Amino acid sequence: EVQLQQSGPEVGRPGSSVKISCKASGYTFTDYVMNWVKQSPGQGLEWIGWIDPEYGSTDYAEKFKKKATLTADTSSSTAYIQLSSLTSEDTATYFCARGPIYNNFFDYWGQGVMVTVSS
Amino acid sequence: DIQMTQSPASLSASLEEIVTITCQASQDIGNWLAWYQQKPGKSPQLLIYDATSLADGVPSRFSGSRSGTQYSLKISRLQVEDIGSYYCQQAHSNPPTFGGGTKLELK
Repeated sequence: EVQLQQSGPEVGRPGSSVKISCKASGYTFTDYVMNWVKQSPGQGLEWIGWIDPEYGSTDYAEKFKKKATLTADTSSSTAYIQLSSLTSEDTATYFCARGPIYNNFFDYWGQGVMVTVSS
Repeated sequence: DIQMTQSPASLSASLEEIVTITCQASQDIGNWLAWYQQKPGKSPQLLIYDATSLADGVPSRFSGSRSGTQYSLKISRLQVEDIGSYYCQQAHSNPPTFGGGTKLELK
């Protein structure tokens, strides 16, 4: 059974950084890309970027290029997103979502991590 | 970026009713279209990919169709477990973009 288990809720001060993890199980980690998606409170879905764990290659949406950094550890089948220079605009739920290499849809999702930016 | 215009934003329907949600793409995306269901407090789940292909484990009352750059998700007989929000997503080109969502409620 494919599972994506994300870390727990985070509270960050304005200007600080947070790092969220997404541990994959039930499939070969390097056979799929890992995407990250943002959902602001009561809002829709916004793609942040993806990482190919096999090669470490990444692609980001333009607005997240200076905000998010995606990494992956193949030894533990875990993907990470680091969000830097936090502002109130970063308060949201962040999902990891697996994607086939040949297509741009997302077939399995993590449970989401709520990040709250507060002083 | 490709814009996905989804309608309606909200919808109230009765059990066993046929429900249709549509998405209009701002340019040709072929069949590179997916649909997701999100229940309150949960993560989205894939329903349809490649515009018409049903994802594993998804009930057959869900179906997807395409007419040019307009895409539709149909629920043939609404069940109580279908209540939630629905999103379309274009998978044609980066960045992948989502429709604004449709909140489906019971009448």
